[in-house]
Amino acid sequence: EPEVTQTPSHQVTQMGQEVILRCVPISNHLYFYWYRQILGQKVEFLVSFYNNEISEKSEIFDDQFSVERPDGSNFTLKIRSTKLEDSAMYFCASSASMANTGELFFGEGSRLTVL
Amino acid sequence: AQSVSQHNHHVILSEAASLELGCNYSYGGTVNLFWYVQYPGQHLQLLLKYFSGDPLVKGIKGFEAEFIKSKFSFNLRKPSVQWSDTAEYFCAVNARGYSTLTFGKGTMLLVSP
Repeated sequence: EPEVTQTPSHQVTQMGQEVILRCVPISNHLYFYWYRQILGQKVEFLVSFYNNEISEKSEIFDDQFSVERPDGSNFTLKIRSTKLEDSAMYFCASSASMANTGELFFGEGSRLTVL
Repeated sequence: AQSVSQHNHHVILSEAASLELGCNYSYGGTVNLFWYVQYPGQHLQLLLKYFSGDPLVKGIKGFEAEFIKSKFSFNLRKPSVQWSDTAEYFCAVNARGYSTLTFGKGTMLLVSP
């Protein structure tokens, strides 16, 4: 069964460092998403991406965050200068169509710990 | 903006007990509703979804959920849980026409053998 894969599974970084989280969505999917879950809190939407541009983003997704699809397979989330409060589990998801008609498939997550 | 509340953060049941997890949402328009499950160490998986039609939807592994529009609720049920149902369960909603999913805080279910 096709699946969304994420790397790394766990990353520890110092405050102020740049972090890149990588995702390989399901190959024929067109819509890509990043969500995050701070420990003990809700899964929160960060950004959606379609046709090589951001289609929607939340208030959380400020100038410190960026997304990119550098090639035909990867979808990355970059945090330019990490803060302590960026510590969370980051989930990538992809969908063949928009979520109102299709299912989102999630990766296993990348746990980011900022010290 | 929509919001989702899940009433129970932790539920502990014995095997064969019946399960009902509450989920309420707030939004003035038409919504799509989802239940996702996350087994320990695994990714979020879709259990079931409601877009339209029969408000009682059946999902995988014997789960079902009923959409009650008047109560803004989408409770998840299973008549007899198994130890393998131990997981975290997330209710989610999106507004019709938008892709963003809004999740509840999740309910951690522990089923003891």
